Amino acid sequence: GAVVSQHPSRVICKSGTSVKIECRSLDFQATTMFWYRQFPKQSLMLMATSNEGSKATYEQGVEKDKFLINHASLTLSTLTVTSAHPEDSSFYICSASTGAFQPQHFGDGTRLSIL
Amino acid sequence: GQQLNQSPQSMFIQEGEDVSMNCTSSSIFNTWLWYKQDPGEGPVLLIALYKAGELTSNGRLTAQFGITRKDSFLNISASIPSDVGIYFCAGQLRDAGGTSYGKLTFGQGTILTVHP
Repeated sequence: GAVVSQHPSRVICKSGTSVKIECRSLDFQATTMFWYRQFPKQSLMLMATSNEGSKATYEQGVEKDKFLINHASLTLSTLTVTSAHPEDSSFYICSASTGAFQPQHFGDGTRLSIL
Repeated sequence: GQQLNQSPQSMFIQEGEDVSMNCTSSSIFNTWLWYKQDPGEGPVLLIALYKAGELTSNGRLTAQFGITRKDSFLNISASIPSDVGIYFCAGQLRDAGGTSYGKLTFGQGTILTVHP
């Protein structure tokens, strides 16, 4: 149980392109989903907390207009990287929990490469 | 903000050896979690600890929630090659106002290499 699916697993695109990443909880309802960014050989950095039906809460230093988050249902959250540039290249990972203070279960991540 | 110090940063061991890693925090957490991450994949939950002093096992893995709520350790017994990966501790704080939404604070990770 507690399976989280993330799609796509890898994206390579040109600078200036907008990229959408999907995060789905397959066998449970997730009122809260989280989006992380991970650089090589580093830990996970929380970008934002996504709550179903409400606006996402962004961490300090994360541009909300650049990283658009939508959590339209209890099983789906999306992260859109708008007008992506090479410095946005990273490993983006989502997680979901069955409740606010339950363990988070992670997707397999999306490797984003901007040329 | 809260910070977690995870040690060691890396370990190189022989197959069959036991492994121990720990995390310490400058402030308390209500929940401690241990995850393992393989290259190119998301972290997988290994053990969750909810009470100070709690000792929990999952197969060859054992983890404990420190009495002070500011630390936790993870032990792996009789390591095997598939134990290779990065292990992360994570702390979760349940604030009274509920505004944290269960955010996790991650340690820097311990890279484990197991030689056959």
